[in-house]
Amino acid sequence: DSGVTQTPKHLITATGQRVTLRCSPRSGDLSVYWYQQSLDQGLQFLIHYYNGEERAKGNILERFSAQQFPDLHSELNLSSLELGDSALYFCASSVGRRGPRETQYFGPGTRLLVL
Amino acid sequence: GEDVEQSLFLSVREGDSSVINCTYTDSSSTYLYWYKQEPGAGLQLLTYIFSNMDMKQDQRLTVLLNKKDKHLSLRIADTQTGDSAIYFCAESTNFGNEKLTFGTGTRLTIIP
Repeated sequence: DSGVTQTPKHLITATGQRVTLRCSPRSGDLSVYWYQQSLDQGLQFLIHYYNGEERAKGNILERFSAQQFPDLHSELNLSSLELGDSALYFCASSVGRRGPRETQYFGPGTRLLVL
Repeated sequence: GEDVEQSLFLSVREGDSSVINCTYTDSSSTYLYWYKQEPGAGLQLLTYIFSNMDMKQDQRLTVLLNKKDKHLSLRIADTQTGDSAIYFCAESTNFGNEKLTFGTGTRLTIIP
């Protein structure tokens, strides 16, 4: 158990809908990262928040948005869902010190299926 | 843009060494990483190497970097059944570990 929690574990929804994925980082971690893992796109970094502020952005679609709240939990909002958004969405957290030794601890993921 | 490539599958006999290869295109890559993903789990950082190094060893793991050819490899000595997983190579060009570009992943299967 990494200490990172994600809810829900599974989500089934229809095209055009909007969903919110939630992540609670490990106690004391200030950084939260979101990743998407799909069969056709592989594993992609989406976005990184540090202490409430966006720090880095990856291949995140405009239909997707994220935020980190004062209690440091984070939400990833996916709107106007398409079939291709079906994927496993991972959240990771880290203490927040910059540098290669900064270990990211991954949550179990939320599996999203868009029908 | 950045591109990181790996072969998709590797099968190795238990006790042998596994060598997982990765090539990348971004010459400004600063840090290169190896992550492990076990079935149904998230990613676990195994090791990383800074671009000015050629080799790094950590217990059963050896990372080799050929910067000229933009080639990275991960050698796992004495491969065990617990090493069965998908291994991802990743690169970063900034402070490291903040914005990672991942390879496709190599599924390592251990043959008893």
